[in-house]
Amino acid sequence: NAGVTQTPKFRVLKTGQSMTLLCAQDMNHEYMYWYRQDPGMGLRLIHYSVGEGTTAKGEVPDGYNVSRLKKQNFLLGLESAAPSQTSVYFCASSCRRTSRCQEETQYFGPGTRLLVL
Amino acid sequence: QQQVKQSPQSLIVQKGGISIINCAYENTAFDYFPWYQQFPGKGPALLIAIRPDVSEKKEGRFTISFNKSAKQFSLHIMDSQPGDSATYFCAARIGGTSGSRLTFGEGTQLTVNP
Repeated sequence: NAGVTQTPKFRVLKTGQSMTLLCAQDMNHEYMYWYRQDPGMGLRLIHYSVGEGTTAKGEVPDGYNVSRLKKQNFLLGLESAAPSQTSVYFCASSCRRTSRCQEETQYFGPGTRLLVL
Repeated sequence: QQQVKQSPQSLIVQKGGISIINCAYENTAFDYFPWYQQFPGKGPALLIAIRPDVSEKKEGRFTISFNKSAKQFSLHIMDSQPGDSATYFCAARIGGTSGSRLTFGEGTQLTVNP
């Protein structure tokens, strides 16, 4: 299993440009998450999804949109990038706690480093 | 508003020493407290976790101490090794039917000198 993968690994954007970050997981997890990591601020939740076709706002959703058209994929979009969105973005996934899944672990991808000039 | 406060921001320990990282929280609805370890250029990975009905959990050299009344929990790394040098994040989870969300502390950069 590849676990959680993220594309691209690194990207440079100019202010106002748009882009989409792709997250894919092969663990059949119901829950998926997008975080951003900034120095001294830990990881902050941007958006999350509890299942295919459903998304919800996290702590810092402004300026981002997400879509979960397939269970294994979770896309994060920046419609008009701003320098304040320069960050490292992490995707994570976890299973929904049931009798078949006792784990509560969120599994993280390797991250996408985004620089907005 | 940071609901989970973590300290110290950075920590330097000699090989063989004890590393201690502290976290405090406000929301009593949190029901699960994991610690994540992150190496440079990698994503965070679960290290150890505890539920609030337990006061201590130990896995190898890593121990979580949990004080529910004080709303504090800490990570102890015994016999610290240079390979433990990484950034450590505490977190707290709110579960429920709308999904399971983690709130992270600010992170502690641990350096273990040989």
